[in-house]
Amino acid sequence: QVQLQESGPGLVKPSETLTLTCSVSGASITSGTYSWSWVRQAAGKGLEWIGHIYPSGTTNYKPSLKSRVTISIDTSKNQFSLSLTSVTAADTAIYFCARDSGTLGNWGQGARVTVSA
Amino acid sequence: DIQLTQSPSTLSASVGDRVTITCRASQNINRWLAWYQQKPGKAPNLLIYKASSLESGVPSRFSGSGSGTEFTLTISSLQPGDFATYFCQQYNSYTLYSFGQGTKLDI
Repeated sequence: QVQLQESGPGLVKPSETLTLTCSVSGASITSGTYSWSWVRQAAGKGLEWIGHIYPSGTTNYKPSLKSRVTISIDTSKNQFSLSLTSVTAADTAIYFCARDSGTLGNWGQGARVTVSA
Repeated sequence: DIQLTQSPSTLSASVGDRVTITCRASQNINRWLAWYQQKPGKAPNLLIYKASSLESGVPSRFSGSGSGTEFTLTISSLQPGDFATYFCQQYNSYTLYSFGQGTKLDI
């Protein structure tokens, strides 16, 4: 049973960079044809797909976030990471990582990130 | 970008009711649509993929239908644990996904 777990700071200052890591257990991050996604959800709001990465390192991002987002992968640690630069209060949300086959069948529990001085 | 519009935004129902949620896409997405259930404080849970295929372990009272631009999720007989928020998601292009705004199902 694959499990995902997000980790990272819960508080980030405006204009700084948000960095989160998703640790995958129970499956190799390089196995199958999966990619690995990040999704966020502001309080009381809907789900917003941020982007994903394939084990090869190929990435795709939501266009409106593309200039600020980098997703990277560390196959040796079975982890992938999200970096979001120049954050504002609008980036305050719960950030989820998920295993991606087009559908998102396995999710982490989510990491709450607040952007505040 | 492909926009997904769910209706209704909120749905009040009772245990045993049959309910239907609609998801409309701004362009043809064939059958590349999924449905998720999300309970407060939890991650979403995949219910349906490819418009009508039931994810393993999901009760058969959940069903999906549709193709092209119009899709529905039906719950045939509501159970207490079904009161949650439901989201549709398109994956017509594997390079850019989008979600509907959600439908909150409450008593």
